[in-house]
Amino acid sequence: IAGITQAPTSQILAAGRRMTLRCTQDMRHNAMYWYRQDLGLGLRLIHYSNTAGTTGKGEVPDGYSVSRANTDDFPLTLASAVPSQTSVYFCASSQLGGSTGELFFGEGSRLTVL
Amino acid sequence: GQNIDQPTEMTATEGAIVQINCTYQTSGFNGLFWYQQHAGEAPTFLSYNVLDGLEEKGRFSSFLSRSKGYSYLLLKELQMKDSASYLCAAADSNYQLIWGAGTKLIIKP
Repeated sequence: IAGITQAPTSQILAAGRRMTLRCTQDMRHNAMYWYRQDLGLGLRLIHYSNTAGTTGKGEVPDGYSVSRANTDDFPLTLASAVPSQTSVYFCASSQLGGSTGELFFGEGSRLTVL
Repeated sequence: GQNIDQPTEMTATEGAIVQINCTYQTSGFNGLFWYQQHAGEAPTFLSYNVLDGLEEKGRFSSFLSRSKGYSYLLLKELQMKDSASYLCAAADSNYQLIWGAGTKLIIKP
């Protein structure tokens, strides 16, 4: 089934550890995004990429980094995790220039930093 | 600044109609999206409006007034499976989405 795959689905890690959340899409979309979702808040954009080889900062980029070496993969790295990064992380993709530009989301990665 | 407002929670009865409102302020505007998100799941696309007026899609309809910075999602013939959060998002001049916090819809039998 075509779509977006995120891994891991859930993870608990100690503060200070490095963590990479993986995201792969097979829809050949040009744009990819990382959001975090916290209770009572809307989805907040962390980083985005409009095309392979380029990335941009979203609303809450501090403490996170991304890379976009190819069209399909868009990993998110927490260099040194802190408890405030406890959240549900969603990867999404879209075809910029498409009819609606709707986002397709992965199933999410629930991260707990202790 | 950019902002999206929508009610935090609404309750409705199975078989009834409910309207979820959303107001937005963005730097430029390139359309208004509605997504549905069941608890513990990913958001899924419901509708997109860029021109004023009503777009109907089965039991769900979405309305946009660009001059008022206002949209609503109308759900008819409510079913228990419609219990979910409904997210409103507006695309700004750079096509970045500004998200509301979501409206949790509770359907009672």
